[in-house]
Amino acid sequence: KAGVTQTPRYLIKTRGQQVTLSCSPISGHRSVSWYQQTPGQGLQFLFEYFSETQRNKGNFPGRFSGRQFSNSRSEMNVSTLELGDSALYLCASSLDYNNEQFFGPGTRLTVL
Amino acid sequence: ELKVEQNPLFLSMQEGKNYTIYCNYSTTSDRLYWYRQDPGKSLESLFVLLSNGAVKQEGRLMASLDTKARLSTLHITAAVHDLSATYFCAVDIKGAQKLVFGQGTRLTINP
Repeated sequence: KAGVTQTPRYLIKTRGQQVTLSCSPISGHRSVSWYQQTPGQGLQFLFEYFSETQRNKGNFPGRFSGRQFSNSRSEMNVSTLELGDSALYLCASSLDYNNEQFFGPGTRLTVL
Repeated sequence: ELKVEQNPLFLSMQEGKNYTIYCNYSTTSDRLYWYRQDPGKSLESLFVLLSNGAVKQEGRLMASLDTKARLSTLHITAAVHDLSATYFCAVDIKGAQKLVFGQGTRLTINP
């Protein structure tokens, strides 16, 4: 069974630009969660989607948004990039609530 | 708000020695996870602990859970260099598909 895939793996952007990251969950998984990892703040929850609906959201500004498609693939978008948005963005998929989440390889975003 | 605290945050040890990483969390939870992360890589799932008294072992690593004390431990036996990595514990928020992570423990094992 293929694991969670994320594209692109690496991305370099400049301040003020916007970026879209993509996540394809494990086949059959309908829940997709996004996390941000930075040296200063550690691993923080961004949001979770299930059946194209955002069910939970972390404490991030509105510049961070996401969506989920009918095939459970998810995208997250960050607009008006700031230097502090440089991070490893991890996507995780699971069957539903109370099921283990499986993490993808991550997208490393660098904002210059 | 659920808080998860690990200690120590940094651990340097010699090969062959034993040590324990501690993970405390502030409210009840359905499950607790331990992950390993190598530099620049994603999270590798090590253990999922579901109930009070749960103990799981894989090679030189053993994890346990005490839900009454809200404490989990990750014990390393006879450490080897290959176990050098950062280890995270994470707790599920009840009723939400959301993990709250500890700060991570950076483990360095010296020959």
